[in-house]
Amino acid sequence: QSVLTQPPSVSAAPGQKVTISCSGSSSNIGNNYVSWYQQLPGTAPKLLIYENNKRPSGIPDRFSGSKSGTSATLGITGLQTGDEADYYCGTWDSSLSAGRGVFGGGTKLTVL
Amino acid sequence: EVQLVESGGGLVQPGGSLRLSCAASGFTVSSNYMSWVRQAPGKGLEWVSVIYSGGSTYYADSVKGRFTISRDNSKNTLYLQMNSLRAEDTAVYYCARGPPNTAMVTLDYWGQGTLVTVSS
Repeated sequence: QSVLTQPPSVSAAPGQKVTISCSGSSSNIGNNYVSWYQQLPGTAPKLLIYENNKRPSGIPDRFSGSKSGTSATLGITGLQTGDEADYYCGTWDSSLSAGRGVFGGGTKLTVL
Repeated sequence: EVQLVESGGGLVQPGGSLRLSCAASGFTVSSNYMSWVRQAPGKGLEWVSVIYSGGSTYYADSVKGRFTISRDNSKNTLYLQMNSLRAEDTAVYYCARGPPNTAMVTLDYWGQGTLVTVSS
């Protein structure tokens, strides 16, 4: 059971928009920045969004991030078949005496 | 060019030990925070450990007391010493870089991963 909750799967047609949610609590998302990762089959994860809504260089503006309270959202517009992948949110959790990193369980995006 | 290359994975019996290495190039390991993240077969990402530039370390509850993260600044290499291994530690282990002045868990470069299999 992951500390951060994501929907197991989402789907949309090419060209459409999709959002992926990531729900947490005050000890993690509520008081820390969120990052998002894309993992294509058989490859290492790739940073898409960091500090809630910032994009690393080279990441197209089709990808966006937002945070409100204890939830975060990844948005992808202009869906392409190449966007089919697993997406993970991550943040720091400070609920224990020593903090720890945490990830969501992952969301599989299918571009129909 | 930033590169991370893991090594040291393999098959080990339950209760055994293994040390993973992550050789970095294109940046200085000691100037960044560095993490280990693992992924069991067919499962999601699991954060394992972090070492900050100042030397502070943190661990997931699942590995605390069994795993130790460290670095060798002269070799620009990150390590993960894994003791008392269990079947549930079977996973691909990734090392990843956290760029300076960014929040945890911002991991902008990842290695290709090394597979650890714990089985008798």
